[in-house]
Amino acid sequence: DVVMTQSPLSLPVTLGQPASISCNSSQSLVYSDGNTYLNWFQLRPGQSPRRLIYRVSNRASGVPDRFSGSGSGTDFTLRISRVEAEDVGVYYCMQGAHLPLTFGGGTKVEIK
Amino acid sequence: QAQLHQSGPGVVRPSETLSLTCTVSDDSFGNGDYHWGWVRLPPGKGLEWIGNVSYGGRTSYNPSLKSRVTVSVDTSKSQFSLKVRSVTAADTAIYYCVRHPTFDFWGQGTLVIVSS
Repeated sequence: DVVMTQSPLSLPVTLGQPASISCNSSQSLVYSDGNTYLNWFQLRPGQSPRRLIYRVSNRASGVPDRFSGSGSGTDFTLRISRVEAEDVGVYYCMQGAHLPLTFGGGTKVEIK
Repeated sequence: QAQLHQSGPGVVRPSETLSLTCTVSDDSFGNGDYHWGWVRLPPGKGLEWIGNVSYGGRTSYNPSLKSRVTVSVDTSKSQFSLKVRSVTAADTAIYYCVRHPTFDFWGQGTLVIVSS
């Protein structure tokens, strides 16, 4: 299985300040079609997961532009340019290039 | 926009079978570009992919659960289902249905507690 390693586990941030989460995969996530299948999800308490970013850097519909994704191969990053109160939750990366699909362990974002 | 609505019991006895159904309210259910699957979130842990099924019934499963899991589709009802056999406390989790491979639309989640 492809192991997805996220850091940090916990991320206290000040409102209005930037935040960054790293995700590393044990294998390349470049699929045979040339696309890189790395997604980011947000999980708020009491809600279903929400897709934020797909294929590394594509923002999903309705996602604010303060969220951005980058990376290639095995190293990926989710950035929040200015954290808002509604961004509190747990963030997960997920690879879709290899079966079984696997998620990172999650990063809990909280306000200082 | 696709809407996925889950149904099924919230409590299952140990050694019995967990059964959940997801109803899809969208024409994309019959679109061959999409598969339909399940993800779970155990308490205090991270998300875990369980498996998925295509409109034609082809399945993929997480090897960690494959021996106990069946994901099936009922095209006449625009539904797909999850069965987990011989459950234990380790199967206690919030279960979500979700459209694959985009993971853009999710069900509302069902907390399933395995308890006698």
